[in-house]
Amino acid sequence: GAVVSQHPSWVICKSGTSVKIECRSLDFQATTMFWYRQFPKQSLMLMATSNEGSKATYEQGVEKDKFLINHASLTLSTLTVTSAHPEDSSFYICSAPSEHAGVLDTQYFGPGTRLTVL
Amino acid sequence: AQSVSQHNHHVILSEAASLELGCNYSYGGTVNLFWYVQYPGQHLQLLLKYFSGDPLVKGIKGFEAEFIKSKFSFNLRKPSVQWSDTAEYFCAVNAPPGAGSYQLTFGKGTKLSVIP
Repeated sequence: GAVVSQHPSWVICKSGTSVKIECRSLDFQATTMFWYRQFPKQSLMLMATSNEGSKATYEQGVEKDKFLINHASLTLSTLTVTSAHPEDSSFYICSAPSEHAGVLDTQYFGPGTRLTVL
Repeated sequence: AQSVSQHNHHVILSEAASLELGCNYSYGGTVNLFWYVQYPGQHLQLLLKYFSGDPLVKGIKGFEAEFIKSKFSFNLRKPSVQWSDTAEYFCAVNAPPGAGSYQLTFGKGTKLSVIP
């Protein structure tokens, strides 16, 4: 199947700094990518939909100025956590959908990035 | 908005036992349904999916799931689990399916621990 990579796989930063997480589709183009946040023992919560060439769409309750998303090319989306605080510590996962006849076939997931803010 | 419920948070089974993980969704219209698996330290992978047709779908590694529309359910089953099935299992819904509608709503996941 298709491969989605994320970088870095884990990051530790100081409170108040910004952290950038990259999501790449390695062998296919993705005009749309999704960013999720996963808390321990909880589900994947969709944060935003990243759209190539246009603004991201954020889910209710997600601060767009806090979580900056840039979808600069058909294979790269970045999530920047600005002025990170300990409550932003989490596991961030991206995914890219594949479609068939205009319908979602599946989503391919990255391995995730563990963010720890001290 | 649709929601997905997985009632079992943690299931512990011995090898060779049968498995059934429950999944219920709340959406009255057409849905596409998925089960994903996340092995320890790995990314989520597709286990199986249902779009239409035979409500009993078979996936990888001997898993199957049955869509029961009247019960809004899509339970995952395996007749005989192995230690290597130890993982977290997520049910997900794409609703309504259609052009440009690629979002998934996930259940909270069920952790399966298989004891050798």
